[in-house]
Amino acid sequence: DQQVKQNSPSLSVQEGRISILNCDYTNSMFDYFLWYKKYPAEGPTFLISISSIKDKNEDGRFTVFLNKSAKHLSLHIVPSQPGDSAVYFCAASAFWGGSEKLVFGKGTKLTVNP
Amino acid sequence: EPEVTQTPSHQVTQMGQEVILRCVPISNHLYFYWYRQILGQKVEFLVSFYNNEISEKSEIFDDQFSVERPDGSNFTLKIRSTKLEDSAMYFCASSDDRPNTTTYEQYFGPGTRLTVT
Repeated sequence: DQQVKQNSPSLSVQEGRISILNCDYTNSMFDYFLWYKKYPAEGPTFLISISSIKDKNEDGRFTVFLNKSAKHLSLHIVPSQPGDSAVYFCAASAFWGGSEKLVFGKGTKLTVNP
Repeated sequence: EPEVTQTPSHQVTQMGQEVILRCVPISNHLYFYWYRQILGQKVEFLVSFYNNEISEKSEIFDDQFSVERPDGSNFTLKIRSTKLEDSAMYFCASSDDRPNTTTYEQYFGPGTRLTVT
């Protein structure tokens, strides 16, 4: 049951360039989408979220874009830094549909090369 | 900055034993969650807790699992009789009241690594 899909297991970018992490979903009831950064043996760290009524949300170097018609969202990191190297998870919630749980994708491992 | 804390960081137990994993959510949060991540797999939802009762649980959360908020600060997950397949990282999370119109945030603790031998 892959309601949230991150089809790229890994991504490698050069320091200073843009990192684009993609996520697709199938459940049209999702009303919030969240991005987390995770290091091995640590908990997910919340980065940024977006409501389904918006198409863009920005916080510093992080911007999330949502395309509801395509059921697709992406996280842009500009400029990328070596400290951004981690696994990034996309997660979704159908909070107002009665389910506040997060459904996670499998993650994308981002490597930012100096 | 407020954070979710979890203890212990690592728990080793024998199959069939009971374990209790402890969490202190962010103090003004009202929703509490447990998730787990088996090595190499995705983070999976176990249970959510609101207003002193379970609001949602997954099919993983069977009769061997229970949650409790014994006081105003702690939130616990008990596994009554552990199985080998319960070995995983267990994450506690919490969130504020209902999300606003534009954002929603769940904050996770550092996790407890449970090893069942």
